[in-house]
Amino acid sequence: QVQLQESGPGLVKPSQTLSLTCTVSGGSISSGGYFWTWIRQHPGKGLEWIGYIHYSGSTYYNPSLKSRVSISVDTSKNHFSLQLSSVTAADTAVYYCARYCSGGSCFQFDYWGQGTLVTVSS
Amino acid sequence: DIQMTQSPSSLSASVGDRVTITCRASQSISSYLNWYQQKPGKAPKLLIFAASSLPSGVPTRFSGSASETDFTLTISSLQPEDFATYFCQQSYSIPFTFGPGTRVDIK
Repeated sequence: QVQLQESGPGLVKPSQTLSLTCTVSGGSISSGGYFWTWIRQHPGKGLEWIGYIHYSGSTYYNPSLKSRVSISVDTSKNHFSLQLSSVTAADTAVYYCARYCSGGSCFQFDYWGQGTLVTVSS
Repeated sequence: DIQMTQSPSSLSASVGDRVTITCRASQSISSYLNWYQQKPGKAPKLLIFAASSLPSGVPTRFSGSASETDFTLTISSLQPEDFATYFCQQSYSIPFTFGPGTRVDIK
């Protein structure tokens, strides 16, 4: 059973960079057919896809965040990371990592981390 | 971006009721539509993929259907553990987008 776990600071100051890591267990991040994803949910609101990465390093980002987002992968540690720069209070949200399966009839987020709340405040 | 809308935004129902939630895409997305269930303080859970397919372990009281750009999630007989928020999501094109959610409350 694949499990994902987010980690990182719960409080970030405005204008700084938010950094989170998602550690994958129960499966290899280098398995083909999957994209490793970051999604966020503003308090009491809907879900926003931030972007994802393939183990090969290919990345795809939401254009609304593209100028500030970077997602990287470390296959040796079986984890992937999110960096979001120049944060403001509008970036306060619960951040989820998830696995996206891609191929054939598989095009969904099938495994999710539990989520981590990141608050942007001085 | 493909816009996803849902109706209703919330509903109140009783255990045993048949519940229907609708999701509409702003353009054709074929069957690239998934449904997720989210309970308070928890991560979303995949409920239906490819518009009408159930992942292993999801009760058969949940079903999905599609008609062009309109998609429906049906719970045939609402159970206590089904009170949650339901989101649709399109995987047709990047950026992937979600509907605003439908909250199902106890009547």
